[in-house]
Amino acid sequence: EDQVTQSPEALRLQEGESSSLNCSYTVSGLRGLFWYRQDPGKGPEFLFTLYSAGEEKEKERLKATLTKKESFLHITAPKPEDSATYLCAVQGGSQGNLIFGKGTKLSVKP
Amino acid sequence: ETGVTQTPRHLVMGMTNKKSLKCEQHLGHNAMYWYKQSAKKPLELMFVYSLEERVENNSVPSRFSPECPNSSHLFLHLHTLQPEDSALYLCASSQDRASWYGELFFGEGSRLTVL
Repeated sequence: EDQVTQSPEALRLQEGESSSLNCSYTVSGLRGLFWYRQDPGKGPEFLFTLYSAGEEKEKERLKATLTKKESFLHITAPKPEDSATYLCAVQGGSQGNLIFGKGTKLSVKP
Repeated sequence: ETGVTQTPRHLVMGMTNKKSLKCEQHLGHNAMYWYKQSAKKPLELMFVYSLEERVENNSVPSRFSPECPNSSHLFLHLHTLQPEDSALYLCASSQDRASWYGELFFGEGSRLTVL
């Protein structure tokens, strides 16, 4: 069964304290892995697409990496404005549907 | 206006009411989606429309009825809902329904409460 598991469920960091969020997946025929950011009361905002193992993408303090079994979202020197829920989704399987994880809620304290 | 807009942002309805959620996208996209987001659960795909044709109905109860009159507008008609249907309903669009449709543009959602 296609599945996406994100960990940790919640993460509290001090401003400037770098860390990583994990997204592990099982899917037949991965077509793409996607990261989204969701602020409270808003819809998810697209961040990155990763297509193959070894690929990396960066945007400001965020860097996403992909292996054959998982993806990491590295946050370097986070700021309070990085506080949000980060969602991971994979596309694959026979129907090519997008399967979301439950998300990691990140809180960055000043 | 730009992006994907949803109205209303908040809706409270009784179990016997009929209401509708509206979504409009200004991105020139060809595919539109309805998702349900409940607390502690992953986003659940409800319906997919591609070029105004429904291409997917993810085993959604008939009390939810989608309508896509054109490629820019999407509605979700609600009838005889249950309290467990209370959730955030998100509309999204993408360039098309081809293989790489994971890059979705979401609206801000309609928060639905069923009493």
